[in-house]
Amino acid sequence: EPEVTQTPSHQVTQMGQEVILRCVPISNHLYFYWYRQILGQKVEFLVSFYNNEISEKSEIFDDQFSVERPDGSNFTLKIRSTKLEDSAMYFCASSSISGSYGYTFGSGTRLTVV
Amino acid sequence: AQTVTQSQPEMSVQEAETVTLSCTYDTSESDYYLFWYKQPPSRQMILVIRQEAYKQQNATENRFSVNFQKAAKSFSLKISDSQLGDAAMYFCAYRSAKAGGTSYGKLTFGQGTILTVHP
Repeated sequence: EPEVTQTPSHQVTQMGQEVILRCVPISNHLYFYWYRQILGQKVEFLVSFYNNEISEKSEIFDDQFSVERPDGSNFTLKIRSTKLEDSAMYFCASSSISGSYGYTFGSGTRLTVV
Repeated sequence: AQTVTQSQPEMSVQEAETVTLSCTYDTSESDYYLFWYKQPPSRQMILVIRQEAYKQQNATENRFSVNFQKAAKSFSLKISDSQLGDAAMYFCAYRSAKAGGTSYGKLTFGQGTILTVHP
């Protein structure tokens, strides 16, 4: 069964450093998403991406965040200057053109900011 | 904006018994999708079941079924013959079906319910 692959599985970074989280969505999917889950809390939408541009973003997704699809397969989330409160599990997801069948999520990247 | 509420932070069930997890949502839209996701200790999000709002028939996937009450904006998940592997956090989620709608494409999640299965 096709999978969404995320790397790394766990990243520790110092406050103020830049991090890039990487995702390889399912190859024939057209919509890509990043979600975040602070430990013990609900999953929150960050951003959706379609046709090489952001289609929607939440208030969490401020100027410190950016997304990119640098080639035909990777989808990245960059946090420019990490804060302690950015510590969370970050999930990448992708869906087909309709998305009515739900998304396929990756296994997540646990980001720890120290 | 759409909201999703799961009022049961924790539930428990004996192995082989049946348990129902509750979910309510608030929306002004008439066409949307509802989902239940399972998050085991590995933290991966796994789709359990989906329901299209325009369909009156409740969705079923093996031991998992839903009770979709559109007028009441309720979407509960029933797990029959519970197994130890069902132990996880369960999230209810909403997605608009309307292109260009305020939340098109985005999933709005509830707070989650931790399900414990006792042998």
